[in-house]
Amino acid sequence: KAGVTQTPRYLIKTRGQQVTLSCSPISGHRSVSWYQQTPGQGLQFLFEYFSETQRNKGNFPGRFSGRQFSNSRSEMNVSTLELGDSALYLCASSLTDRVWNEQYFGPGTRLTVT
Amino acid sequence: QKEVEQNSGPLSVPEGAIASLNCTYSDRVSQSFFWYRQYSGKSPELIMSIYSNGDKEDGRFTAQLNKASQYVSLLIRDSQPSDSATYLCAVKDANFNKFYFGSGTKLNVKP
Repeated sequence: KAGVTQTPRYLIKTRGQQVTLSCSPISGHRSVSWYQQTPGQGLQFLFEYFSETQRNKGNFPGRFSGRQFSNSRSEMNVSTLELGDSALYLCASSLTDRVWNEQYFGPGTRLTVT
Repeated sequence: QKEVEQNSGPLSVPEGAIASLNCTYSDRVSQSFFWYRQYSGKSPELIMSIYSNGDKEDGRFTAQLNKASQYVSLLIRDSQPSDSATYLCAVKDANFNKFYFGSGTKLNVKP
């Protein structure tokens, strides 16, 4: 079974631009979560989608948004990029939202903002 | 705000030794606990999940959970240089599909 895929893998953008990252979960998984990972802050939760609905949201500004499609694929968008947005963005998928749910990560998209 | 605490390390152990990684969490109602391994420049990889008090073994890995003490640990037996990585502890919210991660413990296994 194929794992979580993320595109693009690497991205270089300029301050003020916007970016869209894509995530395809493991086949059959309905939940997709997004994380930002930086050396200083570790893994920070951005948001989680389940059946096209955002159910959880972390403490990030409104410049960070996301959505999920009917096939469970998800996108996240960052508008008006800032230097501090440079990070590894990770997508993780889960089969359901049950207590025993395991979460599997994709390879990540490394975003560099110059 | 739920807290997941890990010693950042680095934890250095000789090849063949047992590596012991520890994690404490603040939310008493948490029910699901996970250990991830992350190699430098790579994404986290799920190693173990544990839901009940006690030990759970999988190959060279043993996860230990003590809900009364709000403590979860990971033991790696016969440590290999290839085990050198950062190990992340994660706790799942009891009511939502939201995971809280510790900052990770860096493990160095010396040949």
